[in-house]
Amino acid sequence: GQSLEQPSEVTAVEGAIVQINCTYQTSGFYGLSWYQQHDGGAPTFLSYNALDGLEETGRFSSFLSRSDSYGYLLLQELQMKDSASYFCAPFTGGGNKLTFGTGTQLKVEL
Amino acid sequence: GAVVSQHPSWVICKSGTSVKIECRSLDFQATTMFWYRQFPKQSLMLMATSNEGSKATYEQGVEKDKFLINHASLTLSTLTVTSAHPEDSSFYICSAGGTSETIRRQYFGPGTRLTVL
Repeated sequence: GQSLEQPSEVTAVEGAIVQINCTYQTSGFYGLSWYQQHDGGAPTFLSYNALDGLEETGRFSSFLSRSDSYGYLLLQELQMKDSASYFCAPFTGGGNKLTFGTGTQLKVEL
Repeated sequence: GAVVSQHPSWVICKSGTSVKIECRSLDFQATTMFWYRQFPKQSLMLMATSNEGSKATYEQGVEKDKFLINHASLTLSTLTVTSAHPEDSSFYICSAGGTSETIRRQYFGPGTRLTVL
């Protein structure tokens, strides 16, 4: 079967660094995407890892370990506007689709 | 990035009526569009994958006759919720992709909030 696990909620202070973990179990795995969604808004793409290692995009970085079926999203220099839900989404080429995790609600406090 | 629009952004309807939601890719040709529904504080659940010019592929548990999907052109897909009931009230979001690159980096519409009374 298929499973995805993310923490449901994470709280951090402005300026801090936070890591959101994602473990997955899926067939036909191609890579792992991360999306951000603010309340009432549309998800927006953050990053995609096809290979093991770290991908850096500004304040956000994403890591993948295919052998461990594990990835994480790292947010640095947290800002209030980063308060949102973050979803990991494995890309399965066979189905040509993304499957979204349950999401992690990040709350950034002063 | 690519722009995807949805219309309407919100709709309130009476139980038993049908509601059509449009999803348009404004600046690229979307050979594939996806329809999701999302309940408050929950994840996006894929309902169906819509390919231009062919029948949609529905996920397990999604009623094809209730959620009619049409992808008549490379820029437009529609979702019709037929005989809507209060339990169909949800946030419906479409996304568009044209290649494997844009499927893993999907561009989402702003969503349509459906409330069925």
